[in-house]
Amino acid sequence: DGGITQSPKYLFRKEGQNVTLSCEQNLNHDAMYWYRQDPGQGLRLIYYSQIVNDFQKGDIAEGYSVSREKKESFPLTVTSAQKNPTAFYLCASTPRQGDYGYTFGSGTRLTVV
Amino acid sequence: SQELEQSPQSLIVQEGKNLTINCTSSKTLYGLYWYKQKYGEGLIFLMMLQKGGEEKSHEKITAKLDEKKQQSSLHITASQPSHAGIYLCGAAKAAGNKLTFGGGTRVLVKP
Repeated sequence: DGGITQSPKYLFRKEGQNVTLSCEQNLNHDAMYWYRQDPGQGLRLIYYSQIVNDFQKGDIAEGYSVSREKKESFPLTVTSAQKNPTAFYLCASTPRQGDYGYTFGSGTRLTVV
Repeated sequence: SQELEQSPQSLIVQEGKNLTINCTSSKTLYGLYWYKQKYGEGLIFLMMLQKGGEEKSHEKITAKLDEKKQQSSLHITASQPSHAGIYLCGAAKAAGNKLTFGGGTRVLVKP
């Protein structure tokens, strides 16, 4: 079945460490997105990519980095520069054309210990 | 960027009662998406509205987009415990473009 896979589901990070969250899709979607969700709040856009080897900053990109070397993959690195990384991270994808909606992964919960 | 306001922030309803959630935009909406989220899980796509005055239904959930395309409502008829969760509206400026989300509405259905 086609879909988006995020891993791991839970991730613990020590202060000062970089961690990478995985997002893989087999939907042949062109565009991919990373969102952050804090408790009781909506989703805020971190980074997005509409084609391979190209990506743009979203509303809260500071302290994060991404790469898009393959169409299927859009990993997110949470760097030590991100001062408050504890949150729920969601990855999404969509075709660039048409109104097919956005498919979301099941999320990764990152906790700083 | 497009600002979306959802109301109410949270809602407790008795099972069997109806409920309505509103989503208001500061700008004209190209596409308005409704999603449902269980705590700690991903988003499940409910409906997408594009045309002014459009209305869509799926099972007991109905969503409408007003004629001016700046406000949408989600209505659940005869709520059930399975309707509990967080409902999020999202908007895109164009097809395939980035989605901006409202703050979400947390729904609790009391048996």
